Amino acid sequence: AQTVTQSQPEMSVQEAETVTLSCTYDTSESDYYLFWYKQPPSRQMILVIRQEAYKQQNATENRFSVNFQKAAKSFSLKISDSQLGDAAMYFCAYKGPQGGSEKLVFGKGTKLTVNP
Amino acid sequence: GAVVSQHPSRVICKSGTSVKIECRSLDFQATTMFWYRQFPKQSLMLMATSNEGSKATYEQGVEKDKFLINHASLTLSTLTVTSAHPEDSSFYICSARDYLAEKLFFGSGTQLSVL
Repeated sequence: AQTVTQSQPEMSVQEAETVTLSCTYDTSESDYYLFWYKQPPSRQMILVIRQEAYKQQNATENRFSVNFQKAAKSFSLKISDSQLGDAAMYFCAYKGPQGGSEKLVFGKGTKLTVNP
Repeated sequence: GAVVSQHPSRVICKSGTSVKIECRSLDFQATTMFWYRQFPKQSLMLMATSNEGSKATYEQGVEKDKFLINHASLTLSTLTVTSAHPEDSSFYICSARDYLAEKLFFGSGTQLSVL
């Protein structure tokens, strides 16, 4: 079974600084999808960024970027120029190949605190 | 605005009663919806996959008679917690996949408290 591991239960960063959240996963598939979701205190799940495994280029969305290392099965999230609104729980998630199960497997999450 | 509506956002009920939670896709058809459960300060755990027009697929350890799922239309899935007990108190979240947009959207969640 696929598993997703987030080894950092909590992280903190100073406003305007950069922080990296770690995620590793385990799968025997060669084609799959990886995601980072943000869950603020409202508890609404918000998609931050997604990465298709077949793409070698790391995904980027404004201040958010990933470091996808397929061989190492690592998928870290870098938040640049951190803002107070970035404070939230961040979940790394895995989805199998297209045409297979559509369900997401989530890591346990990392609580990010942004200090002013 | 929200593309997946989940209702109610919060419900308090007495032990032994049943509670129904609705998950509705607002501007797309969702043949598949997912129901997750989240305990405080924990991750989302998939409970079941709801398939329009057929039986739901439950994850291991989830009681299908306890958590009834109905997906009678392409825009609505319901989760009914039957004979609720305090240990069923949790945050329940649904998600729905828009296949045309190739995106997954989450509802805003339902906090269930069983007294």
